[in-house]
Amino acid sequence: DQQVKQNSPSLSVQEGRISILNCDYTNSMFDYFLWYKKYPAEGPTFLISISSIKDKNEDGRFTVFLNKSAKHLSLHIVPSQPGDSAVYFCAASATGGDKLTFGTGTRLAVRP
Amino acid sequence: SQTIHQWPATLVQPVGSPLSLECTVEGTSNPNLYWYRQAAGRGLQLLFYSVGIGQISSEVPQNLSASRPQDRQFILSSKKLLLSDSGFYLCAWSRSRNTGELFFGEGSRLTVL
Repeated sequence: DQQVKQNSPSLSVQEGRISILNCDYTNSMFDYFLWYKKYPAEGPTFLISISSIKDKNEDGRFTVFLNKSAKHLSLHIVPSQPGDSAVYFCAASATGGDKLTFGTGTRLAVRP
Repeated sequence: SQTIHQWPATLVQPVGSPLSLECTVEGTSNPNLYWYRQAAGRGLQLLFYSVGIGQISSEVPQNLSASRPQDRQFILSSKKLLLSDSGFYLCAWSRSRNTGELFFGEGSRLTVL
């Protein structure tokens, strides 16, 4: 049972435009959400996170939005840059838990 | 500062051979440790996690095992590899009792032929 879902396996965006990556979850116990970025043959690196007490968190070009009622979150990258081309993983955890549950990832390609 | 290293970076093994991937963390004590696998076309699957020495939780029944002989050392093993064990293996750590950020190692690419 995939508790965290990223339904778009890939996304292509023109440089300078906005990239929107989506993530849905089913476990209502999840209360902390993270986005990771992964380049080929490297480990994922943390990008941005959001707690369930917020509906938005912004860090530079990256903004994460959380819609708890819809169990949906999204990552906005604006403006997109070619260096943003990578696989993005959404992850979620529950208070008191010891592990993250990851989505299947979305491969973002930013065209120059 | 904290660092995490895993090795070897690349491994090509025949079916039926044993496996040992090692991971160490420096600069922190009593971390939670994790082994993930990224198989071709799939996401990050949690294989094992450990909250302390000798304490291993298995998430997915499989051909692999994990051990934590020291506080900051985590080992992934197999007695006999299968073709389906091929993938990109990632070790990660987090601060104990923390449900937030994971810090990943560089990854180990395993190809079973």
